[in-house]
Amino acid sequence: DGGITQSPKYLFRKEGQNVTLSCEQNLNHDAMYWYRQDPGQGLRLIYYSQIVNDFQKGDIAEGYSVSREKKESFPLTVTSAQKNPTAFYLCASSVQAGGQETQYFGPGTRLLVL
Amino acid sequence: AQSVAQPEDQVNVAEGNPLTVKCTYSVSGNPYLFWYVQYPNRGLQFLLKYITGDNLVKGSYGFEAEFNKSQTSFHLKKPSALVSDSALYFCAVRDLGNYGQNFVFGPGTRLSVLP
Repeated sequence: DGGITQSPKYLFRKEGQNVTLSCEQNLNHDAMYWYRQDPGQGLRLIYYSQIVNDFQKGDIAEGYSVSREKKESFPLTVTSAQKNPTAFYLCASSVQAGGQETQYFGPGTRLLVL
Repeated sequence: AQSVAQPEDQVNVAEGNPLTVKCTYSVSGNPYLFWYVQYPNRGLQFLLKYITGDNLVKGSYGFEAEFNKSQTSFHLKKPSALVSDSALYFCAVRDLGNYGQNFVFGPGTRLSVLP
């Protein structure tokens, strides 16, 4: 987990509320990623960013939004359009996107719906 | 399209015995293959990866994995299991032929090492 921080560790969302998950890295990595993890399933890619001010949708982007204004930061907003947001959210980064680059993960944020 | 299968949801092994966690993959080109471990309520930790070269890859904490191209497998192994190895293990693949293509993760295998 070293070098990538996620906050908060637990987050509670009320119906109709937007919430933002923080991800910060001090590894000087260009690429950053957001994954969703549900019990018994592998990780599913929500969004990724290869460089500042650029990001692409992953496999399950609906109901989520991101920004990449700084190299170190890649916050994820879970909008009210995401009807089943309860999950464990993992942020990752790599030196570059693609190729043989290893992704390194943060400690995760568990989102629960009240 | 890329895909990864981990055919066992759960693997139980006695402490001190060898362990194997299985992974098979499907890619259109040559694969990059990775193993990660996850402890409860934690992020994934990188164990090892195969890019090219020697089919036996050594990684962290005494783990190793064997790449078998003909069987499209990348099984994770350890000669002597520890109770502390109990965790969730993920195999992941990226297709070398598609630069920028992202990882595909398997569903995970829960390893329980019994004392």
